[in-house]
Amino acid sequence: QQQVKQSPQSLIVQKGGIPIINCAYENTAFDYFPWYQQFPGKGPALLIAIRPDVSEKKEGRFTISFNKSAKQFSLHIMDSQPGDSATYFCAAAMDSSYKLIFGSGTRLLVRP
Amino acid sequence: DTGVSQDPRHKITKRGQNVTFRCDPISEHNRLYWYRQTLGQGPEFLTYFQNEAQLEKSRLLSDRFSAERPKGSFSTLEIQRTEQGDSAMYLCASSSLGGPSSYEQYFGPGTRLTVT
Repeated sequence: QQQVKQSPQSLIVQKGGIPIINCAYENTAFDYFPWYQQFPGKGPALLIAIRPDVSEKKEGRFTISFNKSAKQFSLHIMDSQPGDSATYFCAAAMDSSYKLIFGSGTRLLVRP
Repeated sequence: DTGVSQDPRHKITKRGQNVTFRCDPISEHNRLYWYRQTLGQGPEFLTYFQNEAQLEKSRLLSDRFSAERPKGSFSTLEIQRTEQGDSAMYLCASSSLGGPSSYEQYFGPGTRLTVT
């Protein structure tokens, strides 16, 4: 019940494309869903996050879509650039324990 | 504000040796977290502190692992009698205590441990 399942494992898009990364969870007590971006040899960087009372959130070229009934959320990257090539992790947390439960990651490659 | 810092960035040690890592959180962040990340996987929670109190420990944190945050500022993570399976990136994160940003965790660059 603590798991967060992420797909796909890897993704290749052309520059300007819109990669979509999906995550699913089981525990309905989760109430915070962030996305992190990680470059090789670096720590994860917080990109964007959403709470379950909102169905969509946009920050720059990054959008989270949230489906509470399906217990799924996804990250869309608009107008993707080669510099977006990185590993993306979804995560979830609940207010009884602030620890983040991470998905297994998606390696994104944006071709020029 | 320089963000979360970790020291050392890399550590190579022989099996059976003890190692200690340090994390300096973002100033004024009351919560501090330790995670472990192995190659190709997402970070896994180890433990977290609110000020100097250690509030939660994962079952991953065996008795060879100990973490401290003596004055509610920096934290140390010690691994005794290291094993090859301890080889991983050890990540530290911090967050503020109250308000809507209390969930937002900011990670340091990590300490990569290699046990030979």
